Amino acid sequence: GDSVTQTEGQVALSEEDFLTIHCNYSASGYPALFWYVQYPGEGPQFLFRASRDKEKGSSRGFEATYDKGTTSFHLRKASVQESDSAVYYCALGEDMGYKLTFGTGTSLLVDP
Amino acid sequence: DMKVTQMPRYLIKRMGENVLLECGQDMSHETMYWYRQDPGLGLQLIYISYDVDSNSEGDIPKGYRVSRKKREHFSLILDSAKTNQTSVYFCASSLPMGSNERLFFGHGTKLSVL
Repeated sequence: GDSVTQTEGQVALSEEDFLTIHCNYSASGYPALFWYVQYPGEGPQFLFRASRDKEKGSSRGFEATYDKGTTSFHLRKASVQESDSAVYYCALGEDMGYKLTFGTGTSLLVDP
Repeated sequence: DMKVTQMPRYLIKRMGENVLLECGQDMSHETMYWYRQDPGLGLQLIYISYDVDSNSEGDIPKGYRVSRKKREHFSLILDSAKTNQTSVYFCASSLPMGSNERLFFGHGTKLSVL
């Protein structure tokens, strides 16, 4: 079945550092790819999505590019802030389906 | 107002008791979901509902059942709860255009089964 792999369980950075969170997927067909962010005590919130190869999604300074060749959708931000501290989930929407499969999440902690 | 509301926020039950988790949405979304969240496992799909009385098992349906009698309301039922069902449960909804659509999540219900 479809799956999403996030290799970093936790990432610790200082403000203004560059962020990369890795996301790789395994799926049949042409899935949609998503990033969600979850703040403490809240449910996950949609950050952005991409639906086709080489498409870039972006929001709030975060961005990721759909790469079908390397089956990746890595999250990047040029300069993180303390307020970016949260858990980030990569997710995959099955092709021609309704199911959304999430990765295990990456906890980002940004020191001021 | 584009909101998904979950009740209750916190719940403590004893093993063997029945549990009812409620979820409502005000967006007239046809599709609704139940996920559970556990440390190191992320979000795991329990059930999907495509509309009233049209439900489908997700990846971990064992020990759970659902009910959807109105479009805006989706319930998760645990008959005879077990300690390994201690978790945070999230309800979500989306437009009916397949999984290319974003999900709107509630704030979650933290369930402890003692």
